[in-house]
Amino acid sequence: EVQLVESGGGLAQPGGSLRISCSASGFIFSSHKMAWIRQAPGKGLEWVSVIFTDGTAIYADSVKGRFSMSRDNARNTVYLQMNSLRVDDTAIYYCAREYSGFDFWGQGTRVTASS
Amino acid sequence: EIVLTQSPGTLSLSPGERATLSCRASQGVPSPYFAWYQQKPGQAPRLVIFGISIRATGIPDRFSGSGSGTDYSLTISRLEPEDFAVYYCEQYGASPRTFGQGTKVEIK
Repeated sequence: EVQLVESGGGLAQPGGSLRISCSASGFIFSSHKMAWIRQAPGKGLEWVSVIFTDGTAIYADSVKGRFSMSRDNARNTVYLQMNSLRVDDTAIYYCAREYSGFDFWGQGTRVTASS
Repeated sequence: EIVLTQSPGTLSLSPGERATLSCRASQGVPSPYFAWYQQKPGQAPRLVIFGISIRATGIPDRFSGSGSGTDYSLTISRLEPEDFAVYYCEQYGASPRTFGQGTKVEIK
């Protein structure tokens, strides 16, 4: 059974940093692209980043230069390092497996940027 | 960036009725990279349709997707109580990947 479990969310001050994680199981992790998608309170879905099997990552313009996605295939885990957080980064962050669409999602981790 | 506009914003229907949701892209979406997701309150989204018209695992056959170019639709042939939710379209043929703003299907 495919499972994605996010962790590491919480409260950070604007300008601060936070690292969230997503632990995967039930599939060959190293063979799949993984992504982060976020949802601000009461809003729709926004793609944040994707990491390819070779470790290359691309980002939405809204987070480029501030966020960094990485993967550890030995731990079946992806990470999102979020720096220079802004109030509008406040959202639930979902980890998802990418395979013809996002076919599996985690339950999400809440990130709040507020003073 | 390809902007996706969903209509209507809210669809008020009764169980057993047919639902048709639309999604229009600001430019042609590379085929067949188009998907639909269902999201219920407090839950993560769930993939419903990918590749324009292919049902994801476990999705009943009352759900169907169609479209090409800039116009896509999701049809639920007969609404069941568990189908009332918010639906999002998504294109994954061009970077950045983009989602529509969502259509809420609510019980009339």
